[in-house]
Amino acid sequence: ETGVTQTPRHLVMGMTNKKSLKCEQHLGHNAMYWYKQSAKKPLELMFVYNFKEQTENNSVPSRFSPECPNSSHLFLHLHTLQPEDSALYLCASSPGPEGNTGELFFGEGSRLTVL
Amino acid sequence: GQNIDQPTEMTATEGAIVQINCTYQTSGFNGLFWYQQHAGEAPTFLSYNVLDGLEEKGRFSSFLSRSKGYSYLLLKELQMKDSASYLCAVRDSNYQLIWGAGTKLIIKP
Repeated sequence: ETGVTQTPRHLVMGMTNKKSLKCEQHLGHNAMYWYKQSAKKPLELMFVYNFKEQTENNSVPSRFSPECPNSSHLFLHLHTLQPEDSALYLCASSPGPEGNTGELFFGEGSRLTVL
Repeated sequence: GQNIDQPTEMTATEGAIVQINCTYQTSGFNGLFWYQQHAGEAPTFLSYNVLDGLEEKGRFSSFLSRSKGYSYLLLKELQMKDSASYLCAVRDSNYQLIWGAGTKLIIKP
């Protein structure tokens, strides 16, 4: 139990569907992140929110749309995805933009399969 | 470009010692991290090095040489539960984390 909870854990969707991934952190942290993890590839940072404000968007296609209504919740809205978007999507949080050591606290991820 | 290199996979025997290497080329350096990720689980923080030398934490130690752009994670008295992927990440001059692809460690009885 890392204090970061992601739902759903598994999601299968067609290319025309719209779905959302949810992340909630119970650690009182101010920064939240979305990462994409594909097999045998480095973690790819997608979005960063600090104090509910988006501070980073790493050239992510518009079919991924983040939302951060408060510092404890983070969503990733998905629409018209492609099969190559199939991956594990990890949410993480940290005390601040950098934190004392920069340690990230990860959720267990949402395994997405796009058919 | 920025790059982190670590072996894709390693195999070791229960009770033995294993060293997982990580080399990096980044724009500046503000610390190196090791994370452990069991299959189907969240990555969890193992260690942080910002100065040269060895940091020991129980059975796990992490070493850093900034002049060589090199780190290793040393796991002693291996246990079956140490079977996992080990991720190396470097924080660059912009405080961005650059990740390696991870090393899958397989422990055999």
